[in-house]
Amino acid sequence: DAGVTQSPTHLIKTRGQQVTLRCSPKSGHDTVSWYQQALGQGPQFIFQYYEEEERQRGNFPDRFSGHQFPNYSSELNVNALLLGDSALYLCASSSTGGLGQPQHFGDGTRLSIL
Amino acid sequence: AQSVTQLGSHVSVSEGALVLLRCNYSSSVPPYLFWYVQYPNQGLQLLLKYTTGATLVKGINGFEAEFKKSETSFHLTKPSAHMSDAAEYFCAVYGGSQGNLIFGKGTKLSVKP
Repeated sequence: DAGVTQSPTHLIKTRGQQVTLRCSPKSGHDTVSWYQQALGQGPQFIFQYYEEEERQRGNFPDRFSGHQFPNYSSELNVNALLLGDSALYLCASSSTGGLGQPQHFGDGTRLSIL
Repeated sequence: AQSVTQLGSHVSVSEGALVLLRCNYSSSVPPYLFWYVQYPNQGLQLLLKYTTGATLVKGINGFEAEFKKSETSFHLTKPSAHMSDAAEYFCAVYGGSQGNLIFGKGTKLSVKP
């Protein structure tokens, strides 16, 4: 049973570029959340997708956008990259069924901005 | 608004000693609480969760946590530390109505031989 998979594992970009990160949820899960984890910090919630719609959003600018596909996989897009966007980006999946459903995390994409 | 505070950014114990990682939460509604572990260069792995019911929750790898409403705490314990427990540990609470997680800043656990 495959867990949450993310690609690529590492990425190096320069300021001003844009980037797309990808996530496949755990089998049976229909909800995907994205988190940003800066070095030495806990993950910060970016947004959550369910039924191909953004359901909830954290305190991130519009440069961060996403998409969910009919097969529940998801993409995170970041435009006009800044040095401060360097971080580990984590995807988490869960199943609907009320609060309390645990989120399962992938190993993340390490994004470095030069 | 919900929030989580983890006391101690770094905890060091000897192998075989008790592990105690502290977490206090703030929540305007009955909280759903989680502990996750993160090994170097990996994502987060769920250790245990509290939703409702029994306040003492047992998780994987011999960890357990007790929900204490009166103290707004959800501390993580393990009776005997093993070298393989060295990692970073995050306490989290569900933040919004749709279930985004709010994490503490993490506690790095070191285990000395």
